[in-house]
Amino acid sequence: DAGVIQSPRHEVTEMGQEVTLRCKPISGHNSLFWYRQTMMRGLELLIYFNNNVPIDDSGMPEDRFSAKMPNASFSTLKIQPSEPRDSAVYFCASTKYTLGAQVVETQYFGPGTRLLVL
Amino acid sequence: KNQVEQSPQSLIILEGKNCTLQCNYTVSPFSNLRWYKQDTGRGPVSLTIMTFSENTKSNGRYTATLDADTKQSSLHITASQLSDSASYICVVSLSRGGTASKLTFGTGTRLQVTL
Repeated sequence: DAGVIQSPRHEVTEMGQEVTLRCKPISGHNSLFWYRQTMMRGLELLIYFNNNVPIDDSGMPEDRFSAKMPNASFSTLKIQPSEPRDSAVYFCASTKYTLGAQVVETQYFGPGTRLLVL
Repeated sequence: KNQVEQSPQSLIILEGKNCTLQCNYTVSPFSNLRWYKQDTGRGPVSLTIMTFSENTKSNGRYTATLDADTKQSSLHITASQLSDSASYICVVSLSRGGTASKLTFGTGTRLQVTL
């Protein structure tokens, strides 16, 4: 399995520009998570989807951030307009969640997208 | 507020030595506790997962312990290797029904193993 795939791996943009990050979860997984990691705040959950439906977006910092999951194999995180304080590494993770399962699910992380907003 | 605190922030040890990393949490209601390893420039990788009823879990040279009463966990690394140099992140999961776990992350301990 190729694991969680994210693109681009690096993105440099200017303040005010739109940024779109992409994620392909592991095939067969039904839950997808977007995280942001900074030196100051560590890893923070932005939003997560279960069966393509957004379940919890309480971590999305503001209206400039939006996320979609049009199908089970693709998700996007969009920032419009971008600001320098959005500079961070953005991770996508996926897992297979089964209601009532006895085994706690493991989240598998992608390699991340390193975003720099100038 | 649910929090996960880790100590020390950073640690340098000689190859072959053992070390122990600490994690204290206030997350409630608690479901499970995980330790992740994150190499520089890569995504975190799960090492261990413990539910509230488990007090120890091993994965090779990594052994995690959990005291749910005191809300403390530790990760012990035995006979360290250069490849153990990484950040180790303690992650606590909230109990929630019907969907996958929501994770609260510590800020990590940066471990450097030297010759």
